Amino acid sequence: EADIYQTPRYLVIGTGKKITLECSQTMGHDKMYWYQQDPGMELHLIHYSYGVNSTEKGDLSSESTVSRIRTEHFPLTLESARPSHTSQYLCASSEYSGQGSFYNSPLHFGNGTRLTVT
Amino acid sequence: GEDVEQSLFLSVREGDSSVINCTYTDSSSTYLYWYKQEPGAGLQLLTYIFSNMDMKQDQRLTVLLNKKDKHLSLRIADTQTGDSAIYFCAESQTDSWGKFQFGAGTQVVVTP
Repeated sequence: EADIYQTPRYLVIGTGKKITLECSQTMGHDKMYWYQQDPGMELHLIHYSYGVNSTEKGDLSSESTVSRIRTEHFPLTLESARPSHTSQYLCASSEYSGQGSFYNSPLHFGNGTRLTVT
Repeated sequence: GEDVEQSLFLSVREGDSSVINCTYTDSSSTYLYWYKQEPGAGLQLLTYIFSNMDMKQDQRLTVLLNKKDKHLSLRIADTQTGDSAIYFCAESQTDSWGKFQFGAGTQVVVTP
């Protein structure tokens, strides 16, 4: 079982509030990711990181920001929550096998944070 | 661009075999994965297969890969009620950091 943790599991918050979704992993993985999962089940990559001090935007435009100050920690922040941000947010991590490597380590997922903005 | 497609729903009787299908478009895919998601949880890795393999078996799970048709399937033998979940097919490509493309998920419902 993967050791990746997300808090909180559920969050209901009013419009305009600032929130931070926490994600931590104890596997020493360099790569970390945030996915947004909409009610139709599909996953959309919103942010990823190669390692400490590395952050990149994913395929889906998002108003959230991320930081990677420590290997094990990859928090996601929404400065001003809106109802359109209501979704499930999944954090994942994987090993980095080196540039040009043919091996892509599988993603290990946390249990997710279900966010509702009222 | 890359695309991974799955059927959205599968109903199967307990004890029967389930077959979940997936097609992908990117011929540079190197690894193909199957994940399971139960209600309220994240995605759990079930199995994965390298693109130079045709088949991989792991207990009740059998993965078949047809590279020519870019078709991947997951067969679950002796399906149990605990197998009811959403199953995601995913692929990754060989590049510097490994981008994963997920299908929309297949909801599997196991009936007694």
